[in-house]
Amino acid sequence: DTGVSQDPRHKITKRGQNVTFRCDPISEHNRLYWYRQTLGQGPEFLTYFQNEAQLEKSRLLSDRFSAERPKGSFSTLEIQRTEQGDSAMYLCASSPDRSLGYTFGSGTRLTVV
Amino acid sequence: ILNVEQSPQSLHVQEGDSTNFTCSFPSSNFYALHWYRWETAKSPEALFVMTLNGDEKKKGRISATLNTKEGYSYLYIKGSQPEDSATYLCAFKSSGGADGLTFGKGTHLIIQP
Repeated sequence: DTGVSQDPRHKITKRGQNVTFRCDPISEHNRLYWYRQTLGQGPEFLTYFQNEAQLEKSRLLSDRFSAERPKGSFSTLEIQRTEQGDSAMYLCASSPDRSLGYTFGSGTRLTVV
Repeated sequence: ILNVEQSPQSLHVQEGDSTNFTCSFPSSNFYALHWYRWETAKSPEALFVMTLNGDEKKKGRISATLNTKEGYSYLYIKGSQPEDSATYLCAFKSSGGADGLTFGKGTHLIIQP
């Protein structure tokens, strides 16, 4: 297993378009997290899955955002009707247990123009 | 809203010197404190997960201490090397049921040869 993979690495989209990002976690990890980082800030929590169940969603996650993890394997994060404020680095991480550290992917950098 | 503060925001250190920086976090509902190192163009890498008051962890030249009663952790780097240049992030996990981490904004460390 080569770690957590995220695709694409970069995405430029026009305002109002929909975008979807993919995360492939480490296969033995049942916990999967999405975070967003904007310039000058630390990563902000968006949502968390345990297996296929979405157990937690941040208030940051407006109704334009949706995340899925079918079959408890890879996850997708979709943003509908993108806005310039959605421009950020979107990070995915996985962990096998609540008491252990995360393994992060390299992130998807989204630019909304 | 949980408040996790890191200081200083950035730090320039001469190669070979030792350095340290601080993370402060809420002293109530403590579950764990994470430290990550994030080098440019790479994924954040887990350094330590600390759970017990008075805990001290070490990984090579890097060590960390934890005081949960007063809500702070220190990260120390001994004999800084150019490869230590990175942003160091701390993150707080609450015992209150929420599984997401609350990150600080990070300390950006630059080692000058």
